[in-house]
Amino acid sequence: GDSVTQTEGQVALSEEDFLTIHCNYSASGYPTLFWYVQYPGEGPQLLFRASRDKEKGSSRGFEATYDKGTTSFHLRKASVQESDSAVYYCALSADSNYQLIWGSGTKLIIKP
Amino acid sequence: DPKIIQKPKYLVAVTGSEKILICEQYLGHNAMYWYRQSAKKPLEFMFSYSYQKLMDNQTASSRFQPQSSKKNHLDLQITALKPDDSATYFCASSQYGGAGAETLYFGSGTRLTVL
Repeated sequence: GDSVTQTEGQVALSEEDFLTIHCNYSASGYPTLFWYVQYPGEGPQLLFRASRDKEKGSSRGFEATYDKGTTSFHLRKASVQESDSAVYYCALSADSNYQLIWGSGTKLIIKP
Repeated sequence: DPKIIQKPKYLVAVTGSEKILICEQYLGHNAMYWYRQSAKKPLEFMFSYSYQKLMDNQTASSRFQPQSSKKNHLDLQITALKPDDSATYFCASSQYGGAGAETLYFGSGTRLTVL
C-alpha cells in the first residue's frame, strides 16, 4: 500500500540554521505530495503541495521539490526562526484514495 | 474568524459515558472529515463524508458514530467511552471529497480526556 516515511521524529536547531526534514514516499503513478504544518493548539494547515515530477512547492521560506526518481519530497528552509517551531507532516494523495496518507510528523524545535 | 468551529475545545468524561463532539464549517465545502491525534498515532483518519454521505470509515469500533444533520455539520458521537479514547479530535473539510488531491482545512480540535 501507499506510505509516507519521515525519518526525523524531532529536529532541534538554533535560529538562522538551515533546515532539512526528510520525506520519502511509496505509491504508484503520480501522487500529489503535501507538507502540512501544525502549530501548538491548532489543527494542521497546508504549507504547500506539488503534483508532478520536479515541481517545487514553496511558502513562508519553506520549499520542497517533487522527485519521482528518489521518491522524495524533502522540506528545506535556509534560515529558521523561532516562530517556525511546530510539527511538520508530509502527506500524499493517491488517485484511488479518499484520504490522505500521512507521515508520522517531525517536531521542529528552535532554540532561541 | 475561524472557518471551522469545533465545540467544546476541552472535554472531560468518565469511563462508560457518552459524548458528542460538534463540528461546523463555513467554507462552503461539500466534504467533511474526522481525524484523531494522540501520542500513539500522530494523525489518524477516522471518517470522511461527501455531500452528507459516508465515503470512508477507518474506525474499527462502532462506538464512534458520525452524524451529519446539515451539509456543513459533522458531529461525532462516542459511546461507552474508554481511557484509550483520550486524544485530540480534529474536524476537517475539503471542497468536494472525491478521490484525489484536495487540500484539507482543519479545525482547532477538541481535546478529550476520559478518566
